[in-house]
Amino acid sequence: QVQLVQSGAEVKKPGASVKVSCKASGYTFTSYYMHWVRQAPGQGLEWMGIINPSGGSTSYAQKFQGRVTMTRDTSTSTVYMELSSLRSEDTAVYYCARADINYYYMDVWGKGTTVTVSS
Amino acid sequence: SYELTQPLSVSVALGQTARITCGGNNIGSKNVHWYQQKPGQAPVLVIYRDSNRPSGIPERFSGSNSGNTATLTISRAQAGDEADYYCQVWDSSTVYVVFGGGTKLTVL
Repeated sequence: QVQLVQSGAEVKKPGASVKVSCKASGYTFTSYYMHWVRQAPGQGLEWMGIINPSGGSTSYAQKFQGRVTMTRDTSTSTVYMELSSLRSEDTAVYYCARADINYYYMDVWGKGTTVTVSS
Repeated sequence: SYELTQPLSVSVALGQTARITCGGNNIGSKNVHWYQQKPGQAPVLVIYRDSNRPSGIPERFSGSNSGNTATLTISRAQAGDEADYYCQVWDSSTVYVVFGGGTKLTVL
């Protein structure tokens, strides 16, 4: 079955970086884009960006440009999201979600990775 | 940038019909997708491309989109439908995904 398995929870200090992984299985990895979406405690969904696993091209939300990097490893069907210069406001659950390549809806989601930024 | 507006909360009596709106400038020209999120869980796609249901989503869930408003309709509401609901579009002008702020559905 189609699955996205994310890496475990992280605790980071302000100013540090975090790298979250998302391993895909059950489908052709390069046939779907991958979104990253985050959700701060008690808040709504916030889109961070998208990566095309086929060629590696990316598009980032303006809010995160310069701080976020999305990459992929086709040999392991894994995408990564690295966020740098962390601050307390980055404390959130980070989700990867498979994206339809024509209409960009997210039909499969990972369970989420909790990132806590605290001194 | 493109914005989507949802009511913060909607209440519906058990067994009745709930309607959750998503407002945006000429949203009828875009493809709207809807997600359900229960506490502590990842979102689940319930409607894609305005009115299509993924497999496994009950027929009670339906969607429409016209003019400046898209609507998610939940018929014969059940206690298990209590959740947050989010609308989403792809803004081709900016190449960005946009989410609505989310609506909390309460089944009374």
